[in-house]
Amino acid sequence: ELKVEQNPLFLSMQEGKNYTIYCNYSTTSDRLYWYRQDPGKSLESLFVLLSNGAVKQEGRLMASLDTKARLSTLHITAAVHDLSATYFCAVDPILTGGGNKLTFGTGTQLKVEL
Amino acid sequence: NAGVTQTPKFRILKIGQSMTLQCAQDMNHNYMYWYRQDPGMGLKLIYYSVGAGITDKGEVPNGYNVSRSTTEDFPLRLELAAPSQTSVYFCASTVDWGGPQHFGDGTRLSIL
Repeated sequence: ELKVEQNPLFLSMQEGKNYTIYCNYSTTSDRLYWYRQDPGKSLESLFVLLSNGAVKQEGRLMASLDTKARLSTLHITAAVHDLSATYFCAVDPILTGGGNKLTFGTGTQLKVEL
Repeated sequence: NAGVTQTPKFRILKIGQSMTLQCAQDMNHNYMYWYRQDPGMGLKLIYYSVGAGITDKGEVPNGYNVSRSTTEDFPLRLELAAPSQTSVYFCASTVDWGGPQHFGDGTRLSIL
């Protein structure tokens, strides 16, 4: 059974600080996704990482993928209050016969204090 | 484009009742999915479809059924609702392998 673990589960940080969210997974995959969810809302796609060493950046967020270590990171640079949300990573394992089926982590709830 | 549209947005059911959650997408996506999200948790896959007429089980299919007669629609049927099915249900779609999944706004379902 594929396990996807995120840490930390909760993160409270001050504006202007940097921090990294980690996503570890337990099976071979080179397809990893990051999503953002605001309270009571749907999920918004942030990044799609499709190969070892992939790095994507959008604004203050940067995501990377190390398939050998089975690890993805989401780095936050100079956090602002608007980044407060829950962030999920999701993995599509290689050997499931296709279908782009995702297994989600439990999420990291980020609160950026003004 | 409306994207992925889910109806209803909210529903309260009594134990043992049945209902169908509707999902429609207008992006001509082949792949469609149903997830449930319990409070404070990530999403779990219920069923998915890779095209009209083709469906398969996900991680938590018990108590649910799906059909996919058209590319656009992917309804989720709950038979004999139970309190354990109280959750937020999300429908999603994607065009093909490697593409991000696009999510609907969700259906908040309570079973009392």
